[in-house]
Amino acid sequence: EDQVTQSPEALRLQEGESSSLNCSYTVSGLRGLFWYRQDPGKGPEFLFTLYSAGEEKEKERLKATLTKKESFLHITAPKPEDSATYLCAVGRGADGLTFGKGTHLIIQP
Amino acid sequence: EAQVTQNPRYLITVTGKKLTVTCSQNMNHEYMSWYRQDPGLGLRQIYYSMNVEVTDKGDVPEGYKVSRKEKRNFPLILESPSPNQTSLYFCASSFSGGQGAFGYTFGSGTRLTVV
Repeated sequence: EDQVTQSPEALRLQEGESSSLNCSYTVSGLRGLFWYRQDPGKGPEFLFTLYSAGEEKEKERLKATLTKKESFLHITAPKPEDSATYLCAVGRGADGLTFGKGTHLIIQP
Repeated sequence: EAQVTQNPRYLITVTGKKLTVTCSQNMNHEYMSWYRQDPGLGLRQIYYSMNVEVTDKGDVPEGYKVSRKEKRNFPLILESPSPNQTSLYFCASSFSGGQGAFGYTFGSGTRLTVV
């Protein structure tokens, strides 16, 4: 059974204070590692897909990296508008996604 | 605009009264899925569909039905809702071959309360 574990559950940072979110996974045949952002009361918004160990992708202040057992979402010099819940998921092909429980990130001005 | 549209956004109903939550996508996606999101449990898959007339159970299918008669629509049916189905529901869709590049696109959600 696929499992995805995210840590920490919650993280509070000062504006400009860089940090990383962790996503560890066990899966029988990885069909992509996905990162989503979710704002309260809204649907998850796609950020990145990573396929193979060593792969990295960037978008503005976010950078996602992947190893054989885990992925990191690095946030550099965050701003208050980066506050959200960040979700990690592993792809199951046509079966959809298995999600972690998310990291609730708060960036204080 | 490319999107997944769910209706209604909010619904309060009584135990046992059949209801349908609609989901429609305008991106010609093959794959569609339904998820429920509960505090402390995260997003869990209810049902998924690979294409028209092809559906299968996800992780928490009990009490739900789906159908896929057209490629764009994937309604979620609760034949006899119970209070434990009170949740936030999301529909999502994706291309088959290209899902890795773009992931799944999610709708805005339906908040269901069963009293």
